[in-house]
Amino acid sequence: EEQLVESGGDLIKPGGSLRLSCAGSGFTFSRAWVSWVRQAPGKGLEWVGRIKDTSSGATTDYSAPVKARFNISRDDSKNMAYLEMNSLKIDDTAVYYCTTGGNWFGSWGQGTLVTVSS
Amino acid sequence: DIVMTQSPLSLPVTPGEPASISCRSSQSLLQSNGHNYLSWYLHKPGQSPQLLIFLGYNRAPGVPERFSGSGSGTDFTLKISRVEAEDVGVYYCMQAPQTPPLYTFGQGTKLEIK
Repeated sequence: EEQLVESGGDLIKPGGSLRLSCAGSGFTFSRAWVSWVRQAPGKGLEWVGRIKDTSSGATTDYSAPVKARFNISRDDSKNMAYLEMNSLKIDDTAVYYCTTGGNWFGSWGQGTLVTVSS
Repeated sequence: DIVMTQSPLSLPVTPGEPASISCRSSQSLLQSNGHNYLSWYLHKPGQSPQLLIFLGYNRAPGVPERFSGSGSGTDFTLKISRVEAEDVGVYYCMQAPQTPPLYTFGQGTKLEIK
């Protein structure tokens, strides 16, 4: 059974940095495209960014609100993906989910809460 | 950027009755390969979102047959033939364009039981 587990969520001050982790199991992680999707309190789902599989160059793409501040990476030897968040803003407060898929998102983690507050 | 518009945003339904959610895209999602890159998700309270429908009309593994997707181009519909209590939650449509690779969700439709 495919499983994704996020970790690393925390309370962080505005301007700070945080790294989230996503551990995959039950599937060939190295072939998966991994996206991060977030849900701010009382809001809907918002795609944050994606990393392709290594054979596709592990290229990354990001939504406009996070571009230049967030960075997605992967370590296929550990079946892990990461979301490094810099220059955090209050508006980045959300539950962050990792999910897999190219044109649709078939598996989702349970999410990890990031709270940006002074 | 493509904008996804869902309606209604709130959907009270009596158990056993049908339900329908509309999703409209500001640009056609029909690709040259004949596929519409439109998917539907259900986000139940306290759970992670789950995939219901992909490529516009294909049910994901394990999704009950009462869920169906239809549409092409810019207009899509998710139908539940007979709503059950376990179907409560927020339903989202999502588009996955090829270029640029910016996924966009609809605002969400909250289904509740009357």
